[in-house]
Amino acid sequence: DIQLTQSPSFLSASVGDRVTITCRASQGISSFLAWYQQKPGKAPKLLIYTASTLQSGVPSGFSGSGSGTEFTLTISSLQPEDFATYYCQHFNSYPLTFGGGTKVEIK
Amino acid sequence: QITLKESGPTLVKPTQTLTLTCTFSEFSLRTTGVGVGWIRQPPGKALEWLALIFWNDDKRYSPSLKSRLTITKDTSKNQVVLTMSNMDPVDSGTYYCAHTAQRSIWGDRRCTDFDYWGQGILVTVSS
Repeated sequence: DIQLTQSPSFLSASVGDRVTITCRASQGISSFLAWYQQKPGKAPKLLIYTASTLQSGVPSGFSGSGSGTEFTLTISSLQPEDFATYYCQHFNSYPLTFGGGTKVEIK
Repeated sequence: QITLKESGPTLVKPTQTLTLTCTFSEFSLRTTGVGVGWIRQPPGKALEWLALIFWNDDKRYSPSLKSRLTITKDTSKNQVVLTMSNMDPVDSGTYYCAHTAQRSIWGDRRCTDFDYWGQGILVTVSS
């Protein structure tokens, strides 16, 4: 199975900060990586697919990069509504797996 | 607008079989390239993929749970059903169904993400 390791697992930041979250795959997954945002009590929301393609309707302040085994999600200027937990997930092969999550909290 | 909604029991006893139904709208599992997956999340923990069924009845399962899972579709009802046998308290959590569809990627067609999710159903396993 391909393991996805996210870092950090917890992040404290202020409104306006630039935030970067990393997702490392245990083996190469090309660019078959997606990022999701989840708020408490809600379903995950797709932000980015194929590592860097912004899902329709997602603010342009979110961006993704990477390929192979190392990927990043960047929020260029943290907004109050961006405080949430973020997950990466690969779709390279089966079984599909998710990262352990990164909780972004208000500093 | 694609929507999905999970339904089923919110409380099951240990050793019982859980049956969850995902009812969806604005897409069809007769359409080439479309799939519906199940993902769960124990309270306060990360997401875990369980199973996926495609328009052509191709089925994929998490290896760690494969012996306990069955996923089926009823295209006439726009439903996908997941059964999980021998439930245990550690199986408690929120269960989500989600839509996926092939995208055109570098000259091929591949599923790359779950783009629409149901609201989830909280299942508790307790005697």
